[in-house]
Amino acid sequence: DGGITQSPKYLFRKEGQNVTLSCEQNLNHDAMYWYRQDPGQGLRLIYYSQIVNDFQKGDIAEGYSVSREKKESFPLTVTSAQKNPTAFYLCASSWVSNQPQHFGDGTRLSIL
Amino acid sequence: GQQLNQSPQSMFIQEGEDVSMNCTSSSIFNTWLWYKQEPGEGPVLLIALYKAGELTSNGRLTAQFGITRKDSFLNISASIPSDVGIYFCAGQPYGRNTGNQFYFGTGTSLTVIP
Repeated sequence: DGGITQSPKYLFRKEGQNVTLSCEQNLNHDAMYWYRQDPGQGLRLIYYSQIVNDFQKGDIAEGYSVSREKKESFPLTVTSAQKNPTAFYLCASSWVSNQPQHFGDGTRLSIL
Repeated sequence: GQQLNQSPQSMFIQEGEDVSMNCTSSSIFNTWLWYKQEPGEGPVLLIALYKAGELTSNGRLTAQFGITRKDSFLNISASIPSDVGIYFCAGQPYGRNTGNQFYFGTGTSLTVIP
């Protein structure tokens, strides 16, 4: 089945640690995205990539980093500079950036 | 970023009732999307709209792209318990310098009482 796989489902971070969230898609989509979801709020864009080896900051990129070395993979690193990292993180992909996005099932990150 | 106002914030309805929700923006959009999210899962695309005035159905769901291009509406007819979830609108602003970014509403939480 084609789809978007995010792992792990739950992740715990200690203060001062960097953690990396995985996102893999087998839909052959060019564009990939990372969103943050907080209770009672809409999705906010962290980073997006329209093509391999290229990515742009979204509205809330501070404290996060990404890479896009392969078409099917778009990992997100939550750095220690992100002071409020507890949230539900969603990865999405689309054929191109102006097409509807399809989402993975998310990773819930919590601070120990 | 763009602000999308989605209303109502929450709804509690009896099974069998119809549901209406809407989303408005301060600027013109060229695409509207409607998603449903269940607890602990990612949003699932329900309907995509691309032209002003467009009316599209997906089973008991019907969505419309407002003629002003600043709003969209989602209706669910004859609600059933599995309709429970959070419904999000998303829109893509018209214009060259938007980066093709989609903006999301804050969601409408739907509870269906059997």
